[in-house]
Amino acid sequence: SQQGEEDPQALSIQEGENATMNCSYKTSINNLQWYRQNSGRGLVHLILIRSNEREKHSGRLRVTLDTSKKSSSLLITASRAADTASYFCAMGLFNTNAGKSTFGDGTTLTVKP
Amino acid sequence: EAQVTQNPRYLITVTGKKLTVTCSQNMNHEYMSWYRQDPGLGLRQIYYSMNVEVTDKGDVPEGYKVSRKEKRNFPLILESPSPNQTSLYFCASSLPDRTGELFFGEGSRLTVL
Repeated sequence: SQQGEEDPQALSIQEGENATMNCSYKTSINNLQWYRQNSGRGLVHLILIRSNEREKHSGRLRVTLDTSKKSSSLLITASRAADTASYFCAMGLFNTNAGKSTFGDGTTLTVKP
Repeated sequence: EAQVTQNPRYLITVTGKKLTVTCSQNMNHEYMSWYRQDPGLGLRQIYYSMNVEVTDKGDVPEGYKVSRKEKRNFPLILESPSPNQTSLYFCASSLPDRTGELFFGEGSRLTVL
């Protein structure tokens, strides 16, 4: 399967700082998505970047994709305490393996007030 | 309101007692999927369904069954639960377009004693 790895596993920052988390994957993808999970809750879609895009923005989120390195990064600018959550990258859905999807192991972000 | 509904949200059961976790979506999505989430292992796909009467295995299908008799429902069946199936389970749905954005339920926390 298209395994994904994220780093760091955990990240702790002060409110107002930027948070960057990275995702690496092993095989070709059509798109890569980022999701957020508040403790024990369902995942919520944040942003999708297609394989022919290099950078995408949505509010305070900036996602980059480097298909040559098979990696993506999620930047959250001017973080807030409410951004405290786990963040997951997801890849593979509706790619060559049709309905299979793979998630990274996640980065747990703590934003201190 | 567009949503994915799982039941039960919490369940404690004993080894060998058959149980079903229901999943229903009201968005007319063709694609539905089940995941389990365990500490340190991220989300792993159990089964998915591209449409009615079409199901396929994910990465960890052993010990589980699914059915897709109608578009809105995708129940997860544990015929003979074992303690290693203690986990947090998520159902998700999506239109199988190029975006593949997944909509998640709130999760079902299952404990098998």
